[in-house]
Amino acid sequence: GEDVEQSLFLSVREGDSSVINCTYTDSSSTYLYWYKQEPGAGLQLLTYIFSNMDMKQDQRLTVLLNKKDKHLSLRIADTQTGDSAIYFCAESMGGGYQKVTFGIGTKLQVIP
Amino acid sequence: GAGVSQSPSNKVTEKGKDVELRCDPISGHTALYWYRQSLGQGLEFLIYFQGNSAPDKSGLPSDRFSAERTGGSVSTLTIQRTQQEDSAVYLCASSFRTGPKPYEQYFGPGTRLTVT
Repeated sequence: GEDVEQSLFLSVREGDSSVINCTYTDSSSTYLYWYKQEPGAGLQLLTYIFSNMDMKQDQRLTVLLNKKDKHLSLRIADTQTGDSAIYFCAESMGGGYQKVTFGIGTKLQVIP
Repeated sequence: GAGVSQSPSNKVTEKGKDVELRCDPISGHTALYWYRQSLGQGLEFLIYFQGNSAPDKSGLPSDRFSAERTGGSVSTLTIQRTQQEDSAVYLCASSFRTGPKPYEQYFGPGTRLTVT
């Protein structure tokens, strides 16, 4: 079955880059996502990548996908205190069926 | 426009009681999902509704859990005979089946359920 794994915690200094990593098991995953959850709030989609892409950049966010190793990463450049949140990696098979499998979430702490 | 709303925001109930959690999806969204987020756990998929199709109930943890979606819009998640292990944040999400971002799920703020 599907499984998505990520580390639980990451601490970085303000202004540094953050890299959050994720591995997934389902080689038929078609879409991979990064969601952000701020304290007391629901999840918000940050970015997503199709499995036929290696990289996607969106302002301070860079997503890298290594399909061979089933490894996904999210890089946040110039990390700010407002980036402190839990980041969830997720995957789905697509094909019209939108069940998304989420990882446990990585808590990013940004130190001023 | 209005996002996904959930009510109540917090619910404290005694063990053994039944609870109903409500989700109002974004208007026009045909897909609706329920997840459970327990302390230290990721999001656990519970159930998925898509239009008039039969729901995917594969994530419901026991027969004490059920969900309905009336008129293709509002959904209610019911937990019967609540147990302490049911304490969690219950998140609802909705999405378009097709569109510019067909696979983005829009989440509500969640209902925090505490079973005492």
